[in-house]
Amino acid sequence: DAKTTQPPSMDCAEGRAANLPCNHSTISGNEYVYWYRQIHSQGPQYIIHGLKNNETNEMASLIITEDRKSSTLILPHATLRDTAVYYCIVTGYSTLTFGKGTMLLVSP
Amino acid sequence: DTAVSQTPKYLVTQMGNDKSIKCEQNLGHDTMYWYKQDSKKFLKIMFSYNNKELIINETVPNRFSPKSPDKAHLNLHINSLELGDSAVYFCASSQDTRGGRGYTFGSGTRLTVV
Repeated sequence: DAKTTQPPSMDCAEGRAANLPCNHSTISGNEYVYWYRQIHSQGPQYIIHGLKNNETNEMASLIITEDRKSSTLILPHATLRDTAVYYCIVTGYSTLTFGKGTMLLVSP
Repeated sequence: DTAVSQTPKYLVTQMGNDKSIKCEQNLGHDTMYWYKQDSKKFLKIMFSYNNKELIINETVPNRFSPKSPDKAHLNLHINSLELGDSAVYFCASSQDTRGGRGYTFGSGTRLTVV
């Protein structure tokens, strides 16, 4: 599976959009980009995934660059409950391997 | 109804004891997993089962033995517990071995070995 690079931490004001970047320059053609988050002391929660097209669901939007070497997870209106560690994972058809993720702190 | 449920939520035990953690999923998924999250917060895959058959064992000591009586259950039995086994253990499930539609995780079991 391709390796990902994420900033260790980010801050966001409540009500603003949170844009979380992820670099995955070694991604191969059959690998998907997945995003999960882990709120303190809870199990990881699936957010969204995509291959090459941008994706949107009720939780977030995923923007993947045309060369697929990076992506951005967008939480359009961050709330305090979105404070969590966000994991960007690139994988083909294999189990998920979690990195260190980005600690997103949403403040009032 | 909880999709992936683990019991117990907390487990404190002495070194050398044997303990089990149970996991059940009601999603009809074919594949189940055990992950370990250590004190540094790294989440690592331990085992993966598909339709009651072991498909991944990630260099876990043989003191750890998963048991899958049916595809809705994947229990984790640990023999001769050591201090280093203290961690949070997460069970998860997915629709297929590819995990392509996302994993659903349980809420975790915090194991403390004293």
